[in-house]
Amino acid sequence: EPEVTQTPSHQVTQMGQEVILRCVPISNHLYFYWYRQILGQKVEFLVSFYNNEISEKSEIFDDQFSVERPDGSNFTLKIRSTKLEDSAMYFCASSFKTSGGQETQYFGPGTRLLVL
Amino acid sequence: AQTVTQSQPEMSVQEAETVTLSCTYDTSESDYYLFWYKQPPSRQMILVIRQEAYKQQNATENRFSVNFQKAAKSFSLKISDSQLGDAAMYFCAYNDGGATNKLIFGTGTLLAVQP
Repeated sequence: EPEVTQTPSHQVTQMGQEVILRCVPISNHLYFYWYRQILGQKVEFLVSFYNNEISEKSEIFDDQFSVERPDGSNFTLKIRSTKLEDSAMYFCASSFKTSGGQETQYFGPGTRLLVL
Repeated sequence: AQTVTQSQPEMSVQEAETVTLSCTYDTSESDYYLFWYKQPPSRQMILVIRQEAYKQQNATENRFSVNFQKAAKSFSLKISDSQLGDAAMYFCAYNDGGATNKLIFGTGTLLAVQP
């Protein structure tokens, strides 16, 4: 069964450093998402991406964040200068939406980011 | 703005028994989608069940079923014949099926299953 994959599973970085989180969505999916979950809190939407551009971004997704689909398979989230409060689990998700419908989002296993 | 509320931070059930997890939401939309996701200790998000608001029939997936009350904006999850592997955090989520499809999550209910 197709699944969303994410690398790395864990990432430890120093405050101020850049990190890139990678995701490989399900191959025929068209919509891609990043969510984050700070430990003990609910899952929060960061950004959605379709047709090589951002569809929507939350207030959390400030200028320090960027997303990219550099080739036909990968979808990345970059944090330019990490802060302590960026420590969280980051989930990638993908879906295949048809017109007039809403397809289920399938989540990857997450990347646990720790900023020291 | 749409919100999702899960009023039960923790629940416990005996193995083989039935448990119901509550979820309410607030929206002015008439068409939308509701989901329950399971998050085991591995922290992976696993889809349990989904419900389309335009469908009156409650969704079922094996031992999992929902009680969808559109007028009351309530969407509870019933787990029958609970198993040890059902122990996890359960998140209720809402999506209005709009252009971006973002999911709005509740705060979660931690379910413990007692042997």
